[in-house]
Amino acid sequence: DIQMTQSPSSLSASVGDRVTITCRASQGISNYLAWYQQKPGKIPKLLIYAASTLQSGVPSRFSGSGSGTDFTLTISSLQPEDVATYYCQKSNSAPLTFGQGTRLEIK
Amino acid sequence: QVTLRESGPALVKPGQTLTLTCTFSGFSLSTDKVCVSWIRQPPGKALEWLARIDWDGDKHYSTSLKTRLTISTDTSKNQAVLTVTNMDPMDTATYYCARVYSTECHGNYWGQGTLVTVSS
Repeated sequence: DIQMTQSPSSLSASVGDRVTITCRASQGISNYLAWYQQKPGKIPKLLIYAASTLQSGVPSRFSGSGSGTDFTLTISSLQPEDVATYYCQKSNSAPLTFGQGTRLEIK
Repeated sequence: QVTLRESGPALVKPGQTLTLTCTFSGFSLSTDKVCVSWIRQPPGKALEWLARIDWDGDKHYSTSLKTRLTISTDTSKNQAVLTVTNMDPMDTATYYCARVYSTECHGNYWGQGTLVTVSS
């Protein structure tokens, strides 16, 4: 199975900072990568699919890039409401493996 | 309006079999490119995809758990059912049913999840 590895596992940044989270697939998955945001006590919310396509309603400060095995999620200017755990997920064929998550906090 | 709702026991004993039901509305599992997945999340830990049943009857399982999982559907009742055998305290988690986005299946809808605790 293809494994998905995120880094870092947690990070702390200041409001207004540019934040980058990376996700690496153990084998190439083209651009079949989705990013989710999960706030405490809430269900996961799809942010980005096809590596770089923003889901409707998601603020434009979120962006995704990458192809093959290496992907990034970027928040251009961190806002207090972005405190959450972020997950990548391979989105081509089952099994639809998730990364282990990145917990984002405000410094 | 698409909705999914999980139901099942809140507490199971070690060694027992867990049966969870996902009752959905607003779509049919007989429709092309419609699939229902089960995902779980232990308290404070990461999401783990478990299984999926597709519109054409195909079933897919997590490799690490496939010997313990069975997914099925009752299209007349608009339900998808997951059974997990030989439950262990490590299986304590919130279990979600969802139409998870993928290239093979359309949609992005999640149920609210149901917490299952494994304890004697």
